[in-house]
Amino acid sequence: GAVVSQHPSWVICKSGTSVKIECRSLDFQATTMFWYRQFPKQSLMLMATSNEGSKATYEQGVEKDKFLINHASLTLSTLTVTSAHPEDSSFYICSARDPKPTNEKLFFGSGTQLSVL
Amino acid sequence: KQEVTQIPAALSVPEGENLVLNCSFTDSAIYNLQWFRQDPGKGLTSLLLIQSSQREQTSGRLNASLDKSSGRSTLYIAASQPGDSATYLCAANTGNQFYFGTGTSLTVIP
Repeated sequence: GAVVSQHPSWVICKSGTSVKIECRSLDFQATTMFWYRQFPKQSLMLMATSNEGSKATYEQGVEKDKFLINHASLTLSTLTVTSAHPEDSSFYICSARDPKPTNEKLFFGSGTQLSVL
Repeated sequence: KQEVTQIPAALSVPEGENLVLNCSFTDSAIYNLQWFRQDPGKGLTSLLLIQSSQREQTSGRLNASLDKSSGRSTLYIAASQPGDSATYLCAANTGNQFYFGTGTSLTVIP
C-alpha cells in the first residue's frame, strides 16, 4: 500500500525556536495533504489542508502565521511551528490522499511528538 | 457540518471474544468511510475503506459495514487477540474533507 513518511518522529525544542516537520508521500503523488494535531486521548483535529502549488487552507482558529505550511512538490509538504511555546506541545500527524479516483483512501505518517520546553 | 461519533469510548474484553465498534455520522452525503487503528504515540493505520455504494468490506478477522441512510458504520472484530488492543477511529469522507470520530480505545485481556 501507499506509504507516507513523516520526519522527525519526535523533537524537543526550547521556547521561541522554530520546528519544521516533513511529510513525504513515497510511492504516489499527493496533490493534497492534511495536517492534524492530536492531544492525548483525543481524536484528530484538522489544522489545515495543504495543496501543491498553492496556499494552504487553514481551519478556523488555527493561526496561519504560527503554523506555516509549504507544499512545494507533489511528494512533500512541510509544517513549520514558528516561535514555539509550551502550549504548542502536541502530537502532529500528516496524511495524504491516494489520488486514484476509485480509491480515495487516506494514508497517514507516523506522527511527530513535539515537546517545547 | 459533518459530525462523527464513536461508541463506546472505551472497551475491555477477554481474549477470544467477538466485538463490535460503532461509528455514526450526521450527514449521509459521504464519499466513503474509512476505519483506522492507532497505537499509542503512533500514526494511523488504515484497516478498511467502504465506498458509499458498498454495504460492507472484509479483511481477515475484520468486517466493516456501512448504512448510509441511517448514518452508521460498524467494525466487527472476530476472535479478538491482545494484539488488537489499540484505539480505533472511523473517518467519513465528504469528498472535500475527512471527519474523524472520537475513537474507541480497545483493550483485549489475555
